[in-house]
Amino acid sequence: QKEVEQNSGPLSVPEGAIASLNCTYSDRVSQSFFWYRQYSGKSPELIMSIYSNGDKEDGRFTAQLNKASQYVSLLIRDSQPSDSATYLCAVKDSGYSTLTFGKGTMLLVSP
Amino acid sequence: DGGITQSPKYLFRKEGQNVTLSCEQNLNHDAMYWYRQDPGQGLRLIYYSQIVNDFQKGDIAEGYSVSREKKESFPLTVTSAQKNPTAFYLCASSSQRAGGFDEQFFGPGTRLTVL
Repeated sequence: QKEVEQNSGPLSVPEGAIASLNCTYSDRVSQSFFWYRQYSGKSPELIMSIYSNGDKEDGRFTAQLNKASQYVSLLIRDSQPSDSATYLCAVKDSGYSTLTFGKGTMLLVSP
Repeated sequence: DGGITQSPKYLFRKEGQNVTLSCEQNLNHDAMYWYRQDPGQGLRLIYYSQIVNDFQKGDIAEGYSVSREKKESFPLTVTSAQKNPTAFYLCASSSQRAGGFDEQFFGPGTRLTVL
C-alpha cells in the first residue's frame, strides 16, 4: 500500500518567516513529486513539481527532494497571511499516471 | 480560456437516488481523474481514464460509475449503492504527453450532500 505522510499541523509562523512543510513517502521508485495549495472550501492548486534530487526554486517557494531518504519538503520564504492554507503533498505512482496524496498540512501565517 | 469545469457547484441528493456530476476540460488533456475529499482528509482516487472509452477503478470505486465517450468529458455517477456519499468531489486532468511530467490540474469541485 502506497503511503504519503504529512504532519497535519497546524504549523503556525509569523509573517515574514520561513515556513517548512515536510512529506515522506513509501514507494521507493517514485519519480515525480508535487505540492498543491488548497484554500478552505476550494480545490487544490498546483504550486510546485520536482523530479530530481536537490532544490527547485520558484519565487518564494523552494521544493527539496531527497530520494534516498524518501523525503520531499516545501519551503515558503517571507510567509504572508495569504499563504495560510492546507498544503498537500502528492507522489506519482510508479508505472501509473495516478497520484497518491498526503492528508495535508495546515499552515497559519499570523500578521 | 482553457480550464476544467465542474457542475453543479452544490448538489443535494435524497437517499436512494443516483446523481451525476459533470466534468469538462478544454485543455486537450488525455487523462482525467475523479477524487473524493472528506473533511480533514487527503484526496482519494475513485476512477481514472487515460484514453477515450477506457477507464480504471481507483482505490474507492465501489458505489460509483463513470464513462468516457469524449476526450473532453468524464462524468461521475454516484449511485444509491454508495453508502456515505456526502463529500467534496474533485475532477482533474493531465496531458500524458511523452516526456511530460503528468502534472494534474483540478476543477473547482462539486460539494454533494445527502439529505
